Amino acid sequence: SQTIHQWPATLVQPVGSPLSLECTVEGTSNPNLYWYRQAAGRGLQLLFYSVGIGQISSEVPQNLSASRPQDRQFILSSKKLLLSDSGFYLCAWSPHGPGNTIYFGEGSWLTVV
Amino acid sequence: GEDVEQSLFLSVREGDSSVINCTYTDSSSTYLYWYKQEPGAGLQLLTYIFSNMDMKQDQRLTVLLNKKDKHLSLRIADTQTGDSAIYFCAESINSWGKLQFGAGTQVVVTP
Repeated sequence: SQTIHQWPATLVQPVGSPLSLECTVEGTSNPNLYWYRQAAGRGLQLLFYSVGIGQISSEVPQNLSASRPQDRQFILSSKKLLLSDSGFYLCAWSPHGPGNTIYFGEGSWLTVV
Repeated sequence: GEDVEQSLFLSVREGDSSVINCTYTDSSSTYLYWYKQEPGAGLQLLTYIFSNMDMKQDQRLTVLLNKKDKHLSLRIADTQTGDSAIYFCAESINSWGKLQFGAGTQVVVTP
């Protein structure tokens, strides 16, 4: 069966520090991968998606970047965090191809102080 | 504003039925989804429905789809305290699986 892991689960970072959130998927190959952000009391916003290694599409302009160095690894990064980057970040995957269901990881709580 | 709209809050008594409503805008959506988020956790897929279906039942969950009105609902029968969570409606808006989410409906189940 397929599983998705993301880490760390929680982190508190000072303004201006770098960020790296990692996500891996097991039990499948060539998945579509996604990073979503959920701000407090709000819905989910798609940040990045990837349909293959090295292929990253950004949905919104922001202080963050994403990379996909391996087929089942997706990384969310920032060189210098802003207070507004605080939120709940969710990695997700779907089988490659059209119309497939998206499955989410457990999420990472980021607080920028 | 959101392309997918949901009411923000629902309070229901334990044992009663809950109905969560959602409206969407993209008539070409092929799949519509319901996800559940418990406090501090990720999203759990509850169920989904193909756009060519009117209804789907899965144990205590019933999904109704009205394509003409672009209205989706989730009914939870015999609501339990463990059903307390935020429920998100989502529509697929392109072929590779991008979803547009609503803001979520917080369901509180009272004894």
